[in-house]
Amino acid sequence: GDSVTQMEGPVTLSEEAFLTINCTYTATGYPSLFWYVQYPGEGLQLLLKATKADDKGSNKGFEATYRKETTSFHLEKGSVQVSDSAVYFCALLKRSQGNLIFGKGTKLSVKP
Amino acid sequence: EAGVVQSPRYKIIEKKQPVAFWCNPISGHNTLYWYRQNLGQGPELLIRYENEEAVDDSQLPKDRFSAERLKGVDSTLKIQPAELGDSAVYLCASSSSTVTGELFFGEGSRLTVL
Repeated sequence: GDSVTQMEGPVTLSEEAFLTINCTYTATGYPSLFWYVQYPGEGLQLLLKATKADDKGSNKGFEATYRKETTSFHLEKGSVQVSDSAVYFCALLKRSQGNLIFGKGTKLSVKP
Repeated sequence: EAGVVQSPRYKIIEKKQPVAFWCNPISGHNTLYWYRQNLGQGPELLIRYENEEAVDDSQLPKDRFSAERLKGVDSTLKIQPAELGDSAVYLCASSSSTVTGELFFGEGSRLTVL
C-alpha cells in the first residue's frame, strides 16, 4: 500500500543552522505531496505542498522539491529559528482516495 | 474566522467505559475527517464525511467505534466500550475540497484509558 517514510527524530539544531528532514514515499500513480507542521499546543497546519514532479513548494523559508525519480520530498530551510521548533509531518494524497497518508513525524528542536 | 473546534481536550476513563468526542468544522467545509494519532506516530484516518455521508470508513473499528455527522455540520465520534489500546489523540479536520489536500485540523482530544 501507499506509505510515507520520514527520518527519525528528534533533530536538535542551533539557531541559524541548515535543516534537512528527509521524506520518501511509496505510491502508485502521481500523488500530491505535503509537509504539515504541528507547533506545541496547536493543531497540525499545512506548511507547503507540491502537486507534480519537479514542483517546488515553499513557505516561511522552508522548501521541498517533488522528486519522482527518487520518490522523495525532503524539507529544507537555510537558517532555522527557535520558533521553528515543532513536529513536521510529510504526507501524500491520491486524488482517487481523497485522504492524506502521513509519515510518523520528525520533532525539531532549535536551541538559541 | 473560527477554526476547527474539538472537545473535550483531555479525557481520562476506565477501560470498558464509553467516551464521545465532538467536532465543529470550519463553516462551509463539506468534508470532515476523524484521525487517530498514536504516540510517536502520524495521524491515521478513521472516517471521512462528505456532508452527512460517510464516504470512507474502512479503517473505523466498527465493533466499538461509531460516528455521526447529522445535518452535515458538526460530528461526534464515540467509543464503546473503550480499551487500553484506544489511548491516543483523536483529531478532527475539515476541508473545502478533497482535491487540494489542505486540511484544517483541530487541536485534538487526548484520550487516556486506564
